[in-house]
Parts: sequence; structure tokens; C-alpha cells
Amino acid sequence: AQRVTQPEKLLSVFKGAPVELKCNYSYSGSPELFWYVQYSRQRLQLLLRHISRESIKGFTADLNKGETSFHLKKPFAQEEDSAMYYCALSLSGNTGKLIFGQGTTLQVKP
Amino acid sequence: GAVVSQHPSWVICKSGTSVKIECRSLDFQATTMFWYRQFPKQSLMLMATSNEGSKATYEQGVEKDKFLINHASLTLSTLTVTSAHPEDSSFYICSARMFRDRHTGELFFGEGSRLTVL
Repeated sequence: AQRVTQPEKLLSVFKGAPVELKCNYSYSGSPELFWYVQYSRQRLQLLLRHISRESIKGFTADLNKGETSFHLKKPFAQEEDSAMYYCALSLSGNTGKLIFGQGTTLQVKP
Repeated sequence: GAVVSQHPSWVICKSGTSVKIECRSLDFQATTMFWYRQFPKQSLMLMATSNEGSKATYEQGVEKDKFLINHASLTLSTLTVTSAHPEDSSFYICSARMFRDRHTGELFFGEGSRLTVL
């Protein structure tokens, strides 16, 4: 069965420290992975997707099919990065529905 | 950018009544919309996929007679919680994908609707 796992509920770091939010997936098809972010009192929004291989707000994520992982990384965390981060898996097919992980709250302390 | 709007953002109702939540794509057409449910401090659980002009596809364990979904146009999907009970209290979120990206691509999310059933 398809599944997305984010093992950490809360990740707390100091400003300027490196950040890695872990995400593992289980899916027999060809995976398409996303990271979505939800800032306080705002709606969910796309942060990045593995297909585009770009860096957004300093964040990057590499799809590792061997380890079935899509960890989100940033070398130097900023206070404004504090938010809830969700890893999501898009299922192939004609609906492309999105399955979410449990979410990780990133807290960047000054 | 693409905007998805939900209404109402907050609703309180008595047990046994029905509540309708609207989800609109304001500046794009969406043949497919998705309805999620989120419990406090938990992840988003996909409830159903709403397809314009056809029946919704429900996820396992979601009662289709309880959560009625109608997607009558390319810009509007509605979720009706029928005979609501306190356990239906939750945060309901819809999302939509642009028609041109209907198989893959970014999902745009509504702001969510908080339902409280007394």
C-alpha cells in the first residue's frame, strides 16, 4: 500500500543551523514527491517537487529511489522557516491524488 | 497565482443537521478537486476525489452517504455533511489542480472549513 512517513513530529533548531526533515515513502508505482508547507494561519502551499529539482527558499530535496526517501534540507535555517512541513506522494493514474505524511513542525529558534 | 476559496470558513451546527461546504477555484478550471479532513495536530486524510460531471470517488472507510460530494461545474465542488454528529467535527480542506495539469502537478489548497457539531 502507498504510504508516506515523516518520523519527526517536531524538529527544533537554532537559527543558522542546518535542517533536514525526513520523509520516506512506500509505493509500487513511479513516485512523484512533493513538499508542502503551512505557515502559521495560512493555507497549505507547494514548496517544491522532485521533478523540478530546484531550490526554493534555500530548501532542496533529492529523491532517492534506493532508500525510498525524499528528505528536505536547508543548510542554514532562518526564523521565518518555522512552519509545518508535509511530504506528499502523488499517485500515478488519471486522478493524481496526493497522499500526505504526518507532517513535521519545524521550529527555528533565534 | 491560482486561488481556491472555501466557504464557510467556520460553521457550528446542531447534531442531526446537514452542512454544506463550498470549494471554488477562482481563476482557473478544475476538473478534479480533492477533499481532505484534518484532525487537530494530525495530517491531512484524503476523503474523496471530486470529478466534474461524474460521481465522486471515495477513499476506503469514508461513507459516501454521509459525505455527499457534488462537482457540478469546472469551478465548484461542494461537500455536504449529512446528519452531522459531534464526531464529524473537524477541519475540512479542499484542493484543486489546474485542468492542464490534471494528471500531475501542483495542488492548490483552500483555506479550510472548520466544522463544529454540538
